[in-house]
Amino acid sequence: NAGVTQTPKFRILKIGQSMTLQCTQDMNHNYMYWYRQDPGMGLKLIYYSVGAGITDKGEVPNGYNVSRSTTEDFPLRLELAAPSQTSVYFCASGGGDGEKLFFGSGTQLSVL
Amino acid sequence: QKEVEQDPGPLSVPEGAIVSLNCTYSNSAFQYFMWYRQYSRKGPELLMYTYSSGNKEDGRFTAQVDKSSKYISLFIRDSQPSDSATYLCAMWTGGGNKLTFGTGTQLKVEL
Repeated sequence: NAGVTQTPKFRILKIGQSMTLQCTQDMNHNYMYWYRQDPGMGLKLIYYSVGAGITDKGEVPNGYNVSRSTTEDFPLRLELAAPSQTSVYFCASGGGDGEKLFFGSGTQLSVL
Repeated sequence: QKEVEQDPGPLSVPEGAIVSLNCTYSNSAFQYFMWYRQYSRKGPELLMYTYSSGNKEDGRFTAQVDKSSKYISLFIRDSQPSDSATYLCAMWTGGGNKLTFGTGTQLKVEL
């Protein structure tokens, strides 16, 4: 079972560049989430979606955008990358059943 | 004050020790309590899931919730080197769509 798949695993960006982090799940979950994880700071919610066509902001949405055109895919777009966006990004999905989340393996992003 | 407080560690114990990991919280609306385990360079995975107060046991792991004290614990018996990971507590009110995570405690079990 693939579960939640994230690509790429690693990426280095220059300041001002843009990129899209891909996330796909094969569990037919309605709920999908993007988190960032910084050392000692835990998981911060960037954006989430409760179904295709529906997205909402989390705690730290500035500098990011998302879309949800299908149940399976939830890409995260970084526009005009900044050093503050250096982090590890995790995508997660859940069926809404008490918020049991399944996480991808993460994307380590450095903005230099 | 953060909604969820968790000692970041690192916590280092010898193999076979009993480990106690803890979180405190301030939001009395939390009803569901979870522990996620995260190995280095991996995503978190759900380890334990409890509703309301009480204990839940799964093999060497016991999750304990004390809502009156707003305090949750994860106990690991007979700890193994393979238990070395970061443990994150997470909580949910039962409404809305978002979990609140602790910052994680890094555990190392040494031979």
